[in-house]
Amino acid sequence: DSGVTQTPKHLITATGQRVTLRCSPRSGDLSVYWYQQSLDQGLQFLIQYYNGEERAKGNILERFSAQQFPDLHSELNLSSLELGDSALYFCASSAVPLAGTNEQYFGPGTRLTVT
Amino acid sequence: GENVEQHPSTLSVQEGDSAVIKCTYSDSASNYFPWYKQELGKGPQLIIDIRSNVGEKKDQRIAVTLNKTAKHFSLHITETQPEDSAVYFCAATSTGNQFYFGTGTSLTVIP
Repeated sequence: DSGVTQTPKHLITATGQRVTLRCSPRSGDLSVYWYQQSLDQGLQFLIQYYNGEERAKGNILERFSAQQFPDLHSELNLSSLELGDSALYFCASSAVPLAGTNEQYFGPGTRLTVT
Repeated sequence: GENVEQHPSTLSVQEGDSAVIKCTYSDSASNYFPWYKQELGKGPQLIIDIRSNVGEKKDQRIAVTLNKTAKHFSLHITETQPEDSAVYFCAATSTGNQFYFGTGTSLTVIP
């Protein structure tokens, strides 16, 4: 158990809908990262938040957004869902401060199915 | 950006044999190289990592080697056991923020 929690575990929704995925980082970790894992594209970095502020952006679509709250949990919002958004979404956390590289610990993921 | 290539995509070994997975990276500024193990239905689990100032690191049956000149790093698993069966991912980063992952190696250990 990495200490990172994600809810829900599974989500099934229809095209055009909006969903929110939730992540709670390990105790004491200030950074949260979101990844998308699909069969054809592997693990793709979406976005990072550090202590409530956006720190880095990867291949995140404009239909997707995220935020990190004062209690450090994070939410990933996916809107106008398309069939191609079906994937596993992982959250990871680390203790990395503004500089340096620290280990990222992954949560169990949310499996999103868009029908 | 960084490009990480991982080989092989699938690997089958007999229990007790060694397994080696190789990754190459493109960005010479990359300085941190973690390896993750992902079992079915679970999130990636960090199993070992190496930083660019070190050439080799060992943790029991697992070792990672790094060749900065050639820009490649490898995962070595000795005395493989059935519970080592999983998908293994390598990654590289220079900023500490965005990890670039390889495409994964599905390892099967045959009892």
